[in-house]
Amino acid sequence: EIVLTQSPGTLSLSPGERATLSCRASQSVSSSYLAWYQQKPGQAPRLLIYGASSRATGIPDRFSGSGSGTDFTLTISRLEPEDFAVYYCQQYGSSRFTFGPGTKVDIK
Amino acid sequence: QVQLQESGPGLVKPSETLSLTCAVSGYSISSGYYWGWIRQPPGKGLEWIGSIYHSGSTYYNPSLKSRVTISVDTSKNQFSLKLSSVTAADTAVYYCARLVVGATRYFDYWGQGTLVTVSS
Repeated sequence: EIVLTQSPGTLSLSPGERATLSCRASQSVSSSYLAWYQQKPGQAPRLLIYGASSRATGIPDRFSGSGSGTDFTLTISRLEPEDFAVYYCQQYGSSRFTFGPGTKVDIK
Repeated sequence: QVQLQESGPGLVKPSETLSLTCAVSGYSISSGYYWGWIRQPPGKGLEWIGSIYHSGSTYYNPSLKSRVTISVDTSKNQFSLKLSSVTAADTAVYYCARLVVGATRYFDYWGQGTLVTVSS
């Protein structure tokens, strides 16, 4: 099983600042199979990024994804008030999906 | 617009079987895609349970495989989850979602989720 680790656990930032979230895999992951989701309290996760760097439909361009192998990054260039949420990475490998534990981005 | 809606009992007794259904609207399950179940214990992260194709082909999380059955009913445009021998550890919000497969794999449309509590 590929284990995903996300850091930091919590990121305290102000609106307008840049957020950099890390997702590290216990073994190499195909970039095609790496996705990022945003989840707000009481809501279902929302797809942000798939294939490590492709934005989902309707996702603002302040969200970007990068990385390969075992290290992936989600960047929010300028935080908007609606971006404060929990972010999860997800991978597919060996016929199973796993999610990271999440990074909470909260208001400083 | 694709929409998914989970339904089923919100309370299940320990050792019994949890049963949920996901009704899909705005897209015909028979047209393609895989469909899946993901759960989230209160205050915790996401766990994939399993996925199914419209043909009935399934694959499950190995950690749950012995207790999980996912089925599809194309005539009703819905798919279902059964999880047997539940314990308090199975208390979670259960989500259904559409799974994109092929060159990439991700869940693009999600239901709102339904909380299932396991308690006597």
